[in-house]
Amino acid sequence: DAKTTQPTSMDCAEGRAANLPCNHSTISGNEYVYWYRQIHSQGPQYIIHGLKNNETNEMASLIITEDRKSSTLILPHATLRDTAVYYCIVSGANTGNQFYFGTGTSLTVIP
Amino acid sequence: DTGVSQNPRHKITKRGQNVTFRCDPISEHNRLYWYRQTLGQGPEFLTYFQNEAQLEKSRLLSDRFSAERPKGSFSTLEIQRTEQGDSAMYLCASSRDAGVAEAFFGQGTRLTVV
Repeated sequence: DAKTTQPTSMDCAEGRAANLPCNHSTISGNEYVYWYRQIHSQGPQYIIHGLKNNETNEMASLIITEDRKSSTLILPHATLRDTAVYYCIVSGANTGNQFYFGTGTSLTVIP
Repeated sequence: DTGVSQNPRHKITKRGQNVTFRCDPISEHNRLYWYRQTLGQGPEFLTYFQNEAQLEKSRLLSDRFSAERPKGSFSTLEIQRTEQGDSAMYLCASSRDAGVAEAFFGQGTRLTVV
């Protein structure tokens, strides 16, 4: 079962930052936070993951709160191609890195 | 293309028929996962392999479903006596054999049972 809670949908203006929140209050000490996105009819695409430190890559930034009970995915300059369903997942190596997806957040980037 | 490859991309079958899907993971990845996704839902875990060993199966994987990864490379997922409720997207993913490793997904096989 998914261990995360995300808003069902969000809108973001093109060129602005998209901030997608995720609650994972039952996360265990050895579990990581992963973010994936899925564009219609395609397989999920890996975005970023982290344990407790903030992470940044060419796609996005991940901000994890100090208590690790929530996180925010930031797309710094949203484009129309970022319109997708975004999934926040917690997973650990001791469970084979299985990912239990919820229903995610449907992000719509508006021109 | 060095990504995860799934074949076929689409399959339409009559109820009661058997179907088999193939997944070719990224070559250096030892872990391989199968997921199922129905419309409006996130992917649901079915099973995963570490090399050729099938280490876990979800309760969603009924006895009509069987997955193999005989040489630790490609994998097949077979559904016997298909039912209309089996209509879904079947996704395969692979990852490195490491403590923390992101999984990379294929484009999926969309099954329609009529």
